[in-house]
Amino acid sequence: GAGVSQTPSNKVTEKGKYVELRCDPISGHTALYWYRQSLGQGPEFLIYFQGTGAADDSGLPNDRFFAVRPEGSVSTLKIQRTERGDSAVYLCASSLIGADTQYFGPGTRLTVL
Amino acid sequence: AQKITQTQPGMFVQEKEAVTLDCTYDTSDQSYGLFWYKQPSSGEMIFLIYQGSYDEQNATEGRYSLNFQKARKSANLVISASQLGDSAMYFCAMRVGSGYKLSFGAGTTVTVRA
Repeated sequence: GAGVSQTPSNKVTEKGKYVELRCDPISGHTALYWYRQSLGQGPEFLIYFQGTGAADDSGLPNDRFFAVRPEGSVSTLKIQRTERGDSAVYLCASSLIGADTQYFGPGTRLTVL
Repeated sequence: AQKITQTQPGMFVQEKEAVTLDCTYDTSDQSYGLFWYKQPSSGEMIFLIYQGSYDEQNATEGRYSLNFQKARKSANLVISASQLGDSAMYFCAMRVGSGYKLSFGAGTTVTVRA
């Protein structure tokens, strides 16, 4: 079946602009996760959704970052007033609730000029 | 806080040989899970293998095996019979207790030489 998909694959924006990154999880996966991977580092947790609600958003770096999952499937990560330090690859993963293995999408590479 | 350490930033291996990637972890929880992911240059994180802290046998998946030494808090990945397509970044990760967050190490780059 289809894996996790993310769009766009690349996003270049200017400092101060607003961006939205989309994640479409594996069908039937009710758990969804966002991670951020800076150059040369491992991914870092941002937020976890169980169904429609954010069960844990403790990894979001500040209030410029927000994520939604209104129908319990597709999720959108929203970044306001982007800064150069937000440049990274944003990875989305999904899993069955209670399952150990998270399956990742290809990521969105965000570049803030 | 949980911590994953991968001390080898890069490794070279000859095709058809085996390679061991080191991973040590730090947690005070008795229940945890350890994962290895592969990240090729395309960027996607590919799940390779999982070991639960209560699993008595070392996990194996095809050419991948996990050398789990609980007392030493290590979870090394062994790739046997390396192939050119194994060239990638490899990440060790941990999930603690009933949680869901994965904590990742810094990764090890593997380059397979023909």
